[in-house]
Amino acid sequence: DGGITQSPKYLFRKEGQNVTLSCEQNLNHDAMYWYRQDPGQGLRLIYYSQIVNDFQKGDIAEGYSVSREKKESFPLTVTSAQKNPTAFYLCASSIDPRTDQAFFGQGTRLTVV
Amino acid sequence: GESVGLHLPTLSVQEGDNSIINCAYSNSASDYFIWYKQESGKGPQFIIDIRSNMDKRQGQRVTVLLNKTVKHLSLQIAATQPGDSAVYFCAENYAGGYNKLIFGAGTRLAVHP
Repeated sequence: DGGITQSPKYLFRKEGQNVTLSCEQNLNHDAMYWYRQDPGQGLRLIYYSQIVNDFQKGDIAEGYSVSREKKESFPLTVTSAQKNPTAFYLCASSIDPRTDQAFFGQGTRLTVV
Repeated sequence: GESVGLHLPTLSVQEGDNSIINCAYSNSASDYFIWYKQESGKGPQFIIDIRSNMDKRQGQRVTVLLNKTVKHLSLQIAATQPGDSAVYFCAENYAGGYNKLIFGAGTRLAVHP
């Protein structure tokens, strides 16, 4: 089946550690996105990529990094510089954000312990 | 599962009534809009979309209205069912340079029998 897959579903991190969240899609979509969601809030854009080897900062990029070496993959690294990383992280992809919906993964819940 | 929308505005309706969820968007140049439904612990799911050259679009039991003059979107759900209980988000394609998908604050819909 075609779709967008995030892993793991739950992730625990010690303070001071970097951690990488995986996002893979087999929909042949050019655009990919990472969002952060906190309880009681909407989705805030962290990074987005419109094409391989290109990505742009979103509204809350500080403390995060991404890469887009392959069309199918858009991993997100939460670095130790992110002061409050506990949140629900959502990855999405779309053919063309100007005309087509974005499809979402099921999310990764990151908790700092 | 993950609990989203703990402090989001809530719309409470009786089963069988019609629901109207409102959203204000930010960029007058945005040209594509999407409504998403998010259930607890899951990624958002597409409901309906509309382009800026339209004022209204209908789907199955749902209608989206777009008022570009006041930058306002609404989602109407006919004959609301318990399965419609979720958090609803509008999203806009924030046009200009790099296209990015920006989400509104969200509304929790609670359907009572």
